[in-house]
Amino acid sequence: DTAVSQTPKYLVTQMGNDKSIKCEQNLGHDTMYWYKQDSKKFLKIMFSYNNKELIINETVPNRFSPKSPDKAHLNLHINSLELGDSAVYFCASSQDGLEGWNTEAFFGQGTRLTVV
Amino acid sequence: GNSVTQMEGPVTLSEEAFLTINCTYTATGYPSLFWYVQYPGEGLQLLLKATKADDKGSNKGFEATYRKETTSFHLEKGSVQVSDSAVYFCALSSGQDYSGAGSYQLTFGKGTKLSVIP
Repeated sequence: DTAVSQTPKYLVTQMGNDKSIKCEQNLGHDTMYWYKQDSKKFLKIMFSYNNKELIINETVPNRFSPKSPDKAHLNLHINSLELGDSAVYFCASSQDGLEGWNTEAFFGQGTRLTVV
Repeated sequence: GNSVTQMEGPVTLSEEAFLTINCTYTATGYPSLFWYVQYPGEGLQLLLKATKADDKGSNKGFEATYRKETTSFHLEKGSVQVSDSAVYFCALSSGQDYSGAGSYQLTFGKGTKLSVIP
């Protein structure tokens, strides 16, 4: 069973379009995340979210919005796509708790977004 | 704020060579430290972790020791294989990052690409 799954794996789209990437985790975790990995492999947190609060990295444009229909899903919606949005986007999840910082995050396989 | 600095790659080694990838960190409080590995075309997987000073994390022949005095968590392997070719990320997570939402965000280094040649 895939712990964290995201779809699609590849997404090619034109500038200006709106697209969504879906993410589901079957680990029962409380917190989910979206990361962006650029062409140099640098990973940057975009959002972290649980049923209590959404934490947004202030450098993320407001064209990006996470949507969570339930605890097991955190989808990423992107409006008005730009060339610079081309990257690999990773969803991840981890368990909440008093010592949650000791626990690992589980990552999906990534969605390679190419904006043309 | 928290930060992680790891040696820049790429690193190219022959099979059975010794590997060291340096990682140092800056953090408030007492962070947990992680090494993640990303094989080509895949997502990140946890390789090993250490949650307190002097702990040694180990997995698949890789080791790293949490050194609070030098704020380091260097990754080592005695004899690398071609199958170890991947990008390695050092990361930390700190309880001081707690925002009331359980969002212990991982702070990653920039990654080190390792290529092992036969």
